Amino acid sequence: DAGVIQSPRHEVTEMGQEVTLRCKPISGHDYLFWYRQTMMRGLELLIYFNNNVPIDDSGMPEDRFSAKMPNASFSTLKIQPSEPRDSAVYFCASSFRPDRGESLYEQYFGPGTRLTVT
Amino acid sequence: AQSVAQPEDQVNVAEGNPLTVKCTYSVSGNPYLFWYVQYPNRGLQFLLKYITGDNLVKGSYGFEAEFNKSQTSFHLKKPSALVSDSALYFCAVRDRAGGYQKVTFGTGTKLQVIP
Repeated sequence: DAGVIQSPRHEVTEMGQEVTLRCKPISGHDYLFWYRQTMMRGLELLIYFNNNVPIDDSGMPEDRFSAKMPNASFSTLKIQPSEPRDSAVYFCASSFRPDRGESLYEQYFGPGTRLTVT
Repeated sequence: AQSVAQPEDQVNVAEGNPLTVKCTYSVSGNPYLFWYVQYPNRGLQFLLKYITGDNLVKGSYGFEAEFNKSQTSFHLKKPSALVSDSALYFCAVRDRAGGYQKVTFGTGTKLQVIP
């Protein structure tokens, strides 16, 4: 398996522009997570999906951020308009529930997208 | 609410010496506990987990961790450090209760193994 795939790996954009980050989870995984990592705030959970449905988006910083998962193999995180304070590394991770009644176990992370907003 | 604390921002250890990276947690019920490692410019990589059973769990690359319920700790250990172990290590916790899937990560501890 190729693991979790994220694109692009690096994105440099100007303030006010729309940014779209993409993620392909591991095949068969039914949970997908979006995280943001910065030096100041560490690793923050933004949103997670189960079976393509958003379950908890309480970590999404503001309305400029939105995430979708149109099918089991694709998710996007969009920032519109982008601001310099959005500069961070954004990670996508996926996981699976081994059996009904069993709990979520470890997550598998993608390589991340390093976003720089100037 | 659940939380995890990694009290050391950085740990330095000489190659060949044993290493310990500390982690304490807080949950309302019983925990699931995890350790992840992050190498530069890479995503987090799962090392090991405690779900139930034996308090001493073994993971990848010779790492192990001991679950101590009375001290609410889950310290990561390795008998003999390698230079290649130098990386950022994250402890994470999830409360078993309620079916809630959110995992809380610590702030990370940078491990530096000195040749």
